[in-house]
Amino acid sequence: ILNVEQSPQSLHVQEGDSTNFTCSFPSSNFYALHWYRWETAKSPEALFVMTLNGDEKKKGRISATLNTKEGYSYLYIKGSQPEDSATYLCAPNAGGTSYGKLTFGQGTILTVHP
Amino acid sequence: GAVVSQHPSRVICKSGTSVKIECRSLDFQATTMFWYRQFPKQSLMLMATSNEGSKATYEQGVEKDKFLINHASLTLSTLTVTSAHPEDSSFYICSARVAGVYNQPQHFGDGTRLSIL
Repeated sequence: ILNVEQSPQSLHVQEGDSTNFTCSFPSSNFYALHWYRWETAKSPEALFVMTLNGDEKKKGRISATLNTKEGYSYLYIKGSQPEDSATYLCAPNAGGTSYGKLTFGQGTILTVHP
Repeated sequence: GAVVSQHPSRVICKSGTSVKIECRSLDFQATTMFWYRQFPKQSLMLMATSNEGSKATYEQGVEKDKFLINHASLTLSTLTVTSAHPEDSSFYICSARVAGVYNQPQHFGDGTRLSIL
């Protein structure tokens, strides 16, 4: 079983704050790293799929970086808004192919206070 | 695009009942679908990978006779929890991957909350 760790487990910030959290994973057999946002009572929403070491992706105020050699990814949210409140999940694909299965971390629960 | 519908969203039933959960890709074809289970305060745990037209691949520790998976078409996979017992109570969620496209995310249903009395 792949060991995927996300930190912190939960985070409370004020509206307008910028924040970031970490996903750590084994670097062996790495193929891709997925990030999802999961709001309460909704389905998980895909944010990014990252494959290359040094990759950086951006979607609005959210961005992510990837270090495959040391096995970590950072997710950044700039100017947090209450609607950013959600659980953020990372999931590496360490199956060696595009069709490998994902192993999910426990997630970081973000609460943005107005 | 890439919408996945999961039904039902909640089931409450007596011990010994078999429960079927459907996962449909509404606007794309999915040769592969995934079934996950989530216990309280834990991560999504992959139960099995459902492949259209072939047998599902189960993860270690998941009883294939207990959790029957059928993927008869490119848009539908079903998970049947046979003779469910209270320990099967959990949150089950499916996802689907767009057929033939590399490095794409999985698209999730809304999940099913199963409660066995």
